[in-house]
Amino acid sequence: EVQLVQSGAEVKKPGESLKISCKGSGYSFTSYWIGWVRQMPGKGLEWMGIIYAGDSHIRYSPSFQGQVTISADKSISTAYLQWSSLKASDTAIYYCATLRDVTTHFDYWGQGTLVTVSS
Amino acid sequence: NFMLTQPHSVSESPGKTVTISCTRSSGSIATNYVQWYQQRPGSAPTTVIYEDNQRPSGVPDRFSGSIDSSSNSASLTISGLKTEDEADYYCQSYDSSSHVFGGGTKLTVL
Repeated sequence: EVQLVQSGAEVKKPGESLKISCKGSGYSFTSYWIGWVRQMPGKGLEWMGIIYAGDSHIRYSPSFQGQVTISADKSISTAYLQWSSLKASDTAIYYCATLRDVTTHFDYWGQGTLVTVSS
Repeated sequence: NFMLTQPHSVSESPGKTVTISCTRSSGSIATNYVQWYQQRPGSAPTTVIYEDNQRPSGVPDRFSGSIDSSSNSASLTISGLKTEDEADYYCQSYDSSSHVFGGGTKLTVL
């Protein structure tokens, strides 16, 4: 069974850094892409970027380029999303999801990680 | 890049059929596949239709997808509505190295 298990909820202050994770199991981690999707409170889904777990090739949405960093550690089947300096507007639920190819659909989804940024 | 526009909300009675549209702003809807995701309150999205009209295993055949090049739009049709179908539905497609989601449609089954 394919599973993506994300790290737990975080509460941070503006300016702090953060790295959240997404651990894959039940499939060949290095043969798939993993995408990150943001959902701000009460709003829709926004694509942030994708990473190919096999070689860490990354594509960012223009809206998120330079705002976040996506990475992966294939030795532990885990993808990451990180911020160097959080803003209140980063408050959202962040989902990871698998993609079989860069042009295909978001196949299996993680449970989401709630990030709250507040002073 | 392009946008995908969905109605903000739709409502229908149990047992009826509802169709949710997703209109592409530029470029042909047929250029890249369209997917549909269901998101129930408090839950992560799940795929109900991929590659325009394919259903993942476990998704009932009450869910169907189609595209219409004349209106440059995709549609998700849910027949025999059940109260459990009440959720937000998002269309999604890809072009020029970018994935794009529609704004979402809230389906109320009342």
